[in-house]
Amino acid sequence: LAKTTQPISMDSYEGQEVNITCSHNNIATNDYITWYQQFPSQGPRFIIQGYKTKVTNEVASLFIPADRKSSTLSLPRVSLSDTAVYYCLVGDTGGFKTIFGAGTRLFVKA
Amino acid sequence: EAGVAQSPRYKIIEKRQSVAFWCNPISGHATLYWYQQILGQGPKLLIQFQNNGVVDDSQLPKDRFSAERLKGVDSTLKIQPAKLEDSAVYLCASSRQAMNTDTQYFGPGTRLTVL
Repeated sequence: LAKTTQPISMDSYEGQEVNITCSHNNIATNDYITWYQQFPSQGPRFIIQGYKTKVTNEVASLFIPADRKSSTLSLPRVSLSDTAVYYCLVGDTGGFKTIFGAGTRLFVKA
Repeated sequence: EAGVAQSPRYKIIEKRQSVAFWCNPISGHATLYWYQQILGQGPKLLIQFQNNGVVDDSQLPKDRFSAERLKGVDSTLKIQPAKLEDSAVYLCASSRQAMNTDTQYFGPGTRLTVL
């Protein structure tokens, strides 16, 4: 199983770009990297998923270097409503097991 | 489309009592997950169903927890008897299939307090 390591918490200010890095040194060839966002009193919500290089959607960008041992979630111009916990997940090689780590608590200040 | 439905939203019980949670996944989703999320931690997978069969229940405390998805649609998670350490939010999620690339859609969760 690919274990992930993320910073426990991060602070930012409104309007800034936030980059959250996740380490996954034991990622397997067929594994994808997925990020979820969780607000208080809600279930996690899918943000973005990628395999290599760069993926961008209307919410975020995901940067994955060639060795795929880490990935960076980039949130452009954050607002107070982006305050949440962000989880990085790496798929098990068997394809069926999903493991959430402790996540990164992002605090966006005015 | 309607999201994942869970009930009840909150439940308070005393230790050694029994409790059951219900989940109705998004229509057409073959895979259903139950997670336990203790305050300050990430969700921990308890059990995963593919249609009405169990794919993974390796972290389900089977001496007190049970889950079923008899018709491959909605599901029930039961705890009997409850312990203090079972206080947590129980999240249900569903996805179209069981691959790790499939997006999981989560319900609002049931917050359980065991006194």
